[in-house]
Amino acid sequence: SQELEQSPQSLIVQEGKNLTINCTSSKTLYGLYWYKQKYGEGLIFLMMLQKGGEEKSHEKITAKLDEKKQQSSLHITASQPSHAGIYLCGADHGSARQLTFGSGTQLTVLP
Amino acid sequence: DADVTQTPRNRITKTGKRIMLECSQTKGHDRMYWYRQDPGLGLRLIYYSFDVKDINKGEISDGYSVSRQAQAKFSLSLESAIPNQTALYFCATSDLGGSQETQYFGPGTRLLVL
Repeated sequence: SQELEQSPQSLIVQEGKNLTINCTSSKTLYGLYWYKQKYGEGLIFLMMLQKGGEEKSHEKITAKLDEKKQQSSLHITASQPSHAGIYLCGADHGSARQLTFGSGTQLTVLP
Repeated sequence: DADVTQTPRNRITKTGKRIMLECSQTKGHDRMYWYRQDPGLGLRLIYYSFDVKDINKGEISDGYSVSRQAQAKFSLSLESAIPNQTALYFCATSDLGGSQETQYFGPGTRLLVL
């Protein structure tokens, strides 16, 4: 969706490196969701951010919400091959709790 | 056992055929959704249902119909399949609780229309 832009579209990193994926909304954010998708599988919920400045972590994955910039970033520390997959952000723009999704970031982690 | 299941997982059909994709959930959620995923376009909402008697069109409902047979079941039909409906289809559920809802996704159905 053009309402939600993810960058980069794809990312290849060496195992052990840190990386950041960004999600920028053109509309006000009421909630921002991060999901991970492995090939041939469904979306796995990672975390949800709601308040400006909020930061959440799950294992080595940290997500932050910058409400002013209407942007969220997902940061992976010391990446591992198990982190590989497609990361999608989903935004609640206040429309009857429907989510708008970004086009995804394809992450490859080289061993 | 998975909370959200989809059948079939893979399907090949021909142009003009009618097919149905099924979704079942054991999470007890009231809200169910159907999305399609295409490369480079992310997920797009086809239809959603907030309870058994409620059906709403999403962003791209043309060429699709749905049926909410029970709280736990939400099926998607392609009345006359066409090749540009080739995609990965996801069902999702959520529950009304608090100020935000998390959607939980099924494993997806990969559909190829020849």
